[in-house]
Amino acid sequence: DAKTTQPPSMDCAEGRAANLPCNHSTISGNEYVYWYRQIHSQGPQYIIHGLKNNETNEMASLIITEDRKSSTLILPHATLRDTAVYYCIALANAGGTSYGKLTFGQGTILTVHP
Amino acid sequence: SAVISQKPSRDICQRGTSLTIQCQVDSQVTMMFWYRQQPGQSLTLIATANQGSEATYESGFVIDKFPISRPNLTFSTLTVSNMSPEDSSIYLCSARGGSYEQYFGPGTRLTVT
Repeated sequence: DAKTTQPPSMDCAEGRAANLPCNHSTISGNEYVYWYRQIHSQGPQYIIHGLKNNETNEMASLIITEDRKSSTLILPHATLRDTAVYYCIALANAGGTSYGKLTFGQGTILTVHP
Repeated sequence: SAVISQKPSRDICQRGTSLTIQCQVDSQVTMMFWYRQQPGQSLTLIATANQGSEATYESGFVIDKFPISRPNLTFSTLTVSNMSPEDSSIYLCSARGGSYEQYFGPGTRLTVT
């Protein structure tokens, strides 16, 4: 799976949009970009994933650049409960020995301030 | 979606003993995994639990230390054997069904004294 690079920490004011970047310059054509987050003392939680089109769900939006070398997770109106470690992971969805194996980097610690 | 429960939620064990962690999923899933999260660190995959066959271990993890069972599509166990203080971690069970989403249990916090 392609390596991803994220800033170690970010701050955001409550109610504002949180934009979390991720670089994945070696991503393969069959690898999706997944985002998970881990709130303190809990297991990771799936947020969103995408291949090349922008995606939106009830939690967040995912913007993937046209060359797929980077992406941005957007939390449109951050709340204090969004304070967590956010992980960006590149993963092929089918086939290969790494299928289903999420490889977690250090992630970005997002702190939402009142 | 799938809900994953783990037992115990936490335990304090003496070195040299073994602990078995149970993972129960509320629906049938195709893949189950075990992760370890050492204090202040990210998650590291221990192994893939295969139904009806031996687990597939990642580099640095061996069956003698972390035996895993998966008797059916909803249940798996991880045993941490001959524990030492270095095994103090959070152990997380994970499962993936037919969708692309992977679910995680709440974790088992293990302290070895």
